[in-house]
Amino acid sequence: DTGVSQNPRHKITKRGQNVTFRCDPISEHNRLYWYRQTLGQGPEFLTYFQNEAQLEKSRLLSDRFSAERPKGSFSTLEIQRTEQGDSAMYLCASSPGQLYGYTFGSGTRLTVV
Amino acid sequence: DQQVKQNSPSLSVQEGRISILNCDYTNSMFDYFLWYKKYPAEGPTFLISISSIKDKNEDGRFTVFLNKSAKHLSLHIVPSQPGDSAVYFCAEYQGGSEKLVFGKGTKLTVNP
Repeated sequence: DTGVSQNPRHKITKRGQNVTFRCDPISEHNRLYWYRQTLGQGPEFLTYFQNEAQLEKSRLLSDRFSAERPKGSFSTLEIQRTEQGDSAMYLCASSPGQLYGYTFGSGTRLTVV
Repeated sequence: DQQVKQNSPSLSVQEGRISILNCDYTNSMFDYFLWYKKYPAEGPTFLISISSIKDKNEDGRFTVFLNKSAKHLSLHIVPSQPGDSAVYFCAEYQGGSEKLVFGKGTKLTVNP
């Protein structure tokens, strides 16, 4: 499978716990993006990497959120001290720098109880 | 303030008829728009796009129209099929940051 892979697909956690999600992009794509989608809304941009460099972060990405992309391959998104408002679908996308190749993964659904 | 607006949360059409999904935008700085289709529990899938140098782009049953003076675009699906039932998102590509700005989506239901 050469698509964008996200793990886990679902995560239920208690408020205050830390969670980490992983995204494996399409191998030849050097751009990687994280989005968040809540109920009734479209996906909202969180952050963007070009290779290992994090080039932009949304104001939605509070201090409790951190994303990394070591060696420009897979990426992780960590949320510390989760809150109920963090419950959402977290989507990863990758692209080769050309718009037509902007491909999304199936997402990780986070539920904070 | 929302930059990309899809004012119809849902649309229901009969199989074989035309589906028209609408989208309005506020920012004229960027010149590339996309439509994505999303099934439950899956990520958005690219459907069709249009650049501001065009006013129409077709791909099979899907056609996107862009009216720059009205800051409005629409997606036409004809003929509609039950498998087209999904949520459709309009998105604006903001080239500087390479991010997509999405509308809230329109849920299309095509009835057999």
